[in-house]
Amino acid sequence: RKEVEQDPGPFNVPEGATVAFNCTYSNSASQSFFWYRQDCRKEPKLLMSVYSSGNEDGRFTAQLNRASQYISLLIRDSKLSDSATYLCVVNMFGGSSNTGKLIFGQGTTLQVKP
Amino acid sequence: NAGVTQTPKFQVLKTGQSMTLQCAQDMNHEYMSWYRQDPGMGLRLIHYSVGAGITDQGEVPNGYNVSRSTTEDFPLRLLSAAPSQTSVYFCASSSRREQFFGPGTRLTVL
Repeated sequence: RKEVEQDPGPFNVPEGATVAFNCTYSNSASQSFFWYRQDCRKEPKLLMSVYSSGNEDGRFTAQLNRASQYISLLIRDSKLSDSATYLCVVNMFGGSSNTGKLIFGQGTTLQVKP
Repeated sequence: NAGVTQTPKFQVLKTGQSMTLQCAQDMNHEYMSWYRQDPGMGLRLIHYSVGAGITDQGEVPNGYNVSRSTTEDFPLRLLSAAPSQTSVYFCASSSRREQFFGPGTRLTVL
């Protein structure tokens, strides 16, 4: 079983739609969680950290459920520019320093269409 | 401030050849790491370093060596390239808040 699992998609949605991505992780000792965005043939870039209480950044909302070992990302009012691959990332070394071993999910591909 | 730089951007090797992928950062980060990305596999950690002189193995270290003689540089060496090492390689440098990736090296081993 992979340590971090995501539905690879692709998710094809119209502009303005709301879309949700899910991610599960296997190691209950995991401490820090992130969503990264990767555009085609480019390097990944941090989209947002995921906090236990849930957090929001504009149209993006991230949730964490430690009991179920489950992370989600909700994108509201999708834009064409949201088309990318979204990577669920877990830090196995604890703390919020993001300097431990990051384990990446395989990514979920989103295609937003006009 | 260039961030994380990687060279070369593209490389084709023959089986058995050796080469070094270069990575440098100018952000004075202690933590650096190397990943490979294959279709359907996500990014997998090869080696990482928590500071000059200190390196450790990640998830898929076999066939790769690293060293960290300075804070800025973290080269990845392929000792004897194999077709299974065809991949995109990303170097990353980390602050306490975020991990910054280089633009990647696309390596093909024939």
